[in-house]
Amino acid sequence: NAGVMQNPRHLVRRRGQEARLRCSPMKGHSHVYWYRQLPEEGLKFMVYLQKENIIDESGMPKERFSAEFPKEGPSILRIQQVVRGDSAAYFCASSPLQQMNTEAFFGQGTRLTVV
Amino acid sequence: DAKTTQPPSMDCAEGRAANLPCNHSTISGNEYVYWYRQIHSQGPQYIIHGLKNNETNEMASLIITEDRKSSTLILPHATLRDTAVYYCIPHTGTASKLTFGTGTRLQVTL
Repeated sequence: NAGVMQNPRHLVRRRGQEARLRCSPMKGHSHVYWYRQLPEEGLKFMVYLQKENIIDESGMPKERFSAEFPKEGPSILRIQQVVRGDSAAYFCASSPLQQMNTEAFFGQGTRLTVV
Repeated sequence: DAKTTQPPSMDCAEGRAANLPCNHSTISGNEYVYWYRQIHSQGPQYIIHGLKNNETNEMASLIITEDRKSSTLILPHATLRDTAVYYCIPHTGTASKLTFGTGTRLQVTL
């Protein structure tokens, strides 16, 4: 059973370009979470999605950032018109459908560098 | 979210037990104490969790005080590969976000 897969592992974008980060959850997991870690800082929650639904986007910046988890395929975190301050590691986690006593499984992250 | 307090850093000699404390005095009755760690540049890794009883698995032991206001993660025989930032996180265990604090940076040395 493969773990949470994120790609690409490293992404370089020029200012103003779009960044697309992909996350495939563990098999059988229907909940996906995105976190951001700025250099030398802690992990900050961004968004929680189930298939085709955004459940909690309280940590998402109001502009330029969007996320989706379609019925088929991976979850996508999209950053439009990237700026230098978007440079960070973006981690995806997944958890199973069961409602209690679960733990989250994290991917290895995508390191976004904006030049 | 329950607030946690952890020492910012700790050192431990390889082969010795590492005892990482966490204060979570505002933990709710339905919240477990979860521990995760992040080895440099990698994704966080689940270690262990418990509600009120002590727990042990292949990675660590978790001791929770009777009043549930604090807990200690024990790595019985620390190795260099255990060098990481360790996070204590009260969480209901349901499908919802994790709130990471600043954690404890454990440095295991020869």
